[in-house]
Amino acid sequence: DAGVIQSPRHEVTEMGQEVTLRCKPISGHNSLFWYRQTMMRGLELLIYFNNNVPIDDSGMPEDRFSAKMPNASFSTLKIQPSEPRDSAVYFCASSRQNEQYFGPGTRLTVT
Amino acid sequence: EDQVTQSPEALRLQEGESSSLNCSYTVSGLRGLFWYRQDPGKGPEFLFTLYSAGEEKEKERLKATLTKKESFLHITAPKPEDSATYLCAVRLTDSWGKLQFGAGTQVVVTP
Repeated sequence: DAGVIQSPRHEVTEMGQEVTLRCKPISGHNSLFWYRQTMMRGLELLIYFNNNVPIDDSGMPEDRFSAKMPNASFSTLKIQPSEPRDSAVYFCASSRQNEQYFGPGTRLTVT
Repeated sequence: EDQVTQSPEALRLQEGESSSLNCSYTVSGLRGLFWYRQDPGKGPEFLFTLYSAGEEKEKERLKATLTKKESFLHITAPKPEDSATYLCAVRLTDSWGKLQFGAGTQVVVTP
């Protein structure tokens, strides 16, 4: 079985540009989570979906961040406009019951 | 406030030198405690889930235990390939699938 797929793996962009991160969850999983990981703050939950519906977006840092899940196989996390402090590794995870399975992450660098 | 604290922050072991990592939590209601392993440049990899005090889970050289206030991850006779950051996370009773992660313990095992 393929695991969680994320793209791109690396993204370098300039401040002010729009960034879109993509995630394909494991087939059959009904929950999807977006996390951000930095040295200073560790692993932080940004938003999660259950059956494609956003359940809790209290971790989204600002209105510049938005996430969608148009179907069970795809989700996006968008940052517009991006800022240098958004530089981090962004992980997507999916689950069916309790355990969450993480993707390889997208390393975002905003210059 | 719900908190998850891991100690030590870093651990350096000789190959074969057994040790334990600690994860203490102060939460209002626990619906599961999770251990993950993270290698550099990769997403967290699920190891164990524990649900009730007294429960133990084992996988190769790793054994996880749970009490009412903390969990331990015991590494028996570690090998260099056990070098990684070990993360624990708690799932709260009123949080749907949401996990709150600790900062992790970075383990280095030298030959």
